[in-house]
Amino acid sequence: ELKVEQNPLFLSMQEGKNYTIYCNYSTTSDRLYWYRQDPGKSLESLFVLLSNGAVKQEGRLMASLDTKARLSTLHITAAVHDLSATYFCAVDERGGSEKLVFGKGTKLTVNP
Amino acid sequence: NAGVTQTPKFRILKIGQSMTLQCTQDMNHNYMYWYRQDPGMGLKLIYYSVGAGITDKGEVPNGYNVSRSTTEDFPLRLELAAPSQTSVYFCASLRGGQGRVEQFFGPGTRLTVL
Repeated sequence: ELKVEQNPLFLSMQEGKNYTIYCNYSTTSDRLYWYRQDPGKSLESLFVLLSNGAVKQEGRLMASLDTKARLSTLHITAAVHDLSATYFCAVDERGGSEKLVFGKGTKLTVNP
Repeated sequence: NAGVTQTPKFRILKIGQSMTLQCTQDMNHNYMYWYRQDPGMGLKLIYYSVGAGITDKGEVPNGYNVSRSTTEDFPLRLELAAPSQTSVYFCASLRGGQGRVEQFFGPGTRLTVL
């Protein structure tokens, strides 16, 4: 059974600082997704990582995937208040149904 | 394109009542999914469908039923609502196939069972 763990679950950081969110998963997969969720809102797709060594960047966020270590990271550079949200990673369970298993999410608060 | 739409946005049910959560997508996607999100948690898969006429259980299917008679629609039925079904429900769709692996989510339905 695929399990996905994120850490930390809560992250409070100062504007301008850097930090990394980690996503570990328990079984082989080569597809990993990062989503953002604002309070009371739906999920917004941030990154889709489809192969080992994949790295994608959008603004102050950069995501990477190491399939051998079963690890993905979401790095935040020079955080700003607008990045405050909950970030979820999700891993493709395989088998052709495109099912995703989600982590519990990391609630990020960026303080001025 | 409207993407994935869900109705209603909010609903309060009494214990034992039934209701159907509607989900429609206009992107001609083959795959559709129902998730629930409990407070402070990630999403858990209830049911999914890989095409019209084909559905299967996810991680937490008890107390729910689905049907997929068309490509566009994937309604979720709650029979005999219980307080444990208080949650936010998200529908999602995905085209599938090489390179088309991103799930698109609807706005959600917030359900309270009292």
